[in-house]
Amino acid sequence: GDSVTQMEGPVTLSEEAFLTINCTYTATGYPSLFWYVQYPGEGLQLLLKATKADDKGSNKGFEATYRKETTSFHLEKGSVQVSDSAVYFCALSDPASNFGNEKLTFGTGTRLTIIP
Amino acid sequence: DVKVTQSSRYLVKRTGEKVFLECVQDMDHENMFWYRQDPGLGLRLIYFSYDVKMKEKGDIPEGYSVSREKKERFSLILESASTNQTSMYLCASRPNGGANEKLFFGSGTQLSVL
Repeated sequence: GDSVTQMEGPVTLSEEAFLTINCTYTATGYPSLFWYVQYPGEGLQLLLKATKADDKGSNKGFEATYRKETTSFHLEKGSVQVSDSAVYFCALSDPASNFGNEKLTFGTGTRLTIIP
Repeated sequence: DVKVTQSSRYLVKRTGEKVFLECVQDMDHENMFWYRQDPGLGLRLIYFSYDVKMKEKGDIPEGYSVSREKKERFSLILESASTNQTSMYLCASRPNGGANEKLFFGSGTQLSVL
């Protein structure tokens, strides 16, 4: 079945450091890929997405490129801020799986803490 | 501002109780979802609904049921709560258009079953 594997957390970085959060996936078909973010005390919200191979999603200084050859969708940001402290979830939708057109499969989440 | 509202932020129940978790959205979305979030396991889909009175099982439906009598409201029911159902429960909604459409989440209900 479909699955999403994220790097283990928690991740702690200093302000202005470079961020990478790794995400790899397994899917039956050709999935769409997403990053969702959960700030403290809030629900998840969509950060960025990519719907086909080689697409780059970007938002708020974050980027991720859909790499079909390595089945990866790593999240990057060049200079993190304290306000980026949150839990980040990688997710996929796979049209080839049961109800894959309707639902997302999420990874376990990576907690990021940025210290001033 | 669009909203998905979950009725309780924290809930404490006893083993064997019947528990209702309520979710209301004000965006006229057709699709609604219930996930549970557990450390190290991420989000797992319990049930979803793509229309009033319609429901589909997700990946972990055992021990749960749902009700969708009105478009804006999607209820999760624990018929007989057990300690292994202690978790954060997240409701989400989405317009028609498939899984590529953005999901809107509520802020969650932390349920403790004692």
